[in-house]
Amino acid sequence: QKEVEQNSGPLSVPEGAIASLNCTYSDRGSQSFFWYRQYSGKSPELIMFIYSNGDKEDGRFTAQLNKASQYVSLLIRDSQPSDSATYLCAVKIRGSQGNLIFGKGTKLSVKP
Amino acid sequence: DADVTQTPRNRITKTGKRIMLECSQTKGHDRMYWYRQDPGLGLQLIYYSFDVKDINKGEISDGYSVSRQAQAKFSLSLESAIPNQTALYFCATSRDRGSTDTQYFGPGTRLTVL
Repeated sequence: QKEVEQNSGPLSVPEGAIASLNCTYSDRGSQSFFWYRQYSGKSPELIMFIYSNGDKEDGRFTAQLNKASQYVSLLIRDSQPSDSATYLCAVKIRGSQGNLIFGKGTKLSVKP
Repeated sequence: DADVTQTPRNRITKTGKRIMLECSQTKGHDRMYWYRQDPGLGLQLIYYSFDVKDINKGEISDGYSVSRQAQAKFSLSLESAIPNQTALYFCATSRDRGSTDTQYFGPGTRLTVL
């Protein structure tokens, strides 16, 4: 069973702090990794993806991938109350016909 | 803007009724997906389609059927709705199966089965 694990939270951080969201995956054949943000009752929206070991930055967001340890993380710098949402980690596995396997998400709360 | 739309956005129905949820996209993507989301369970894949003639079951297809009427349209049917099919349903699209290909989601349909 291919699994993607996330701490369900809630993760609470003060405004302006760095929020760190983590995701682990079980299949070493995983190719690429996606972070989605989902506001309550809304649809998931893509934040960024990463497929090479190391860091990838996009504005206040940084994705970090460590394939040897099988984890991917998302850092949100200068967290804002508007960042309060559930963050979904999704993994594309080689041989899965390009489908994504989603984690259950981590709920982030940014306190003013 | 190229988009993914779903109808209806909300639906309340009774046990045993047949329900159809519709998804349309103007992104020009070949691949379309149906997911359901339950609180605390994340997104579960119901069906997916690579093109009009290629439809595949996902992890939770029992009790559901789909129809790919055109490249841009993908419908999900509940033949005889039951209360545990109460959930938030999302349609998604993607261009191809490449490693960096991303999925784009519609706004969702909230279905309640009484």
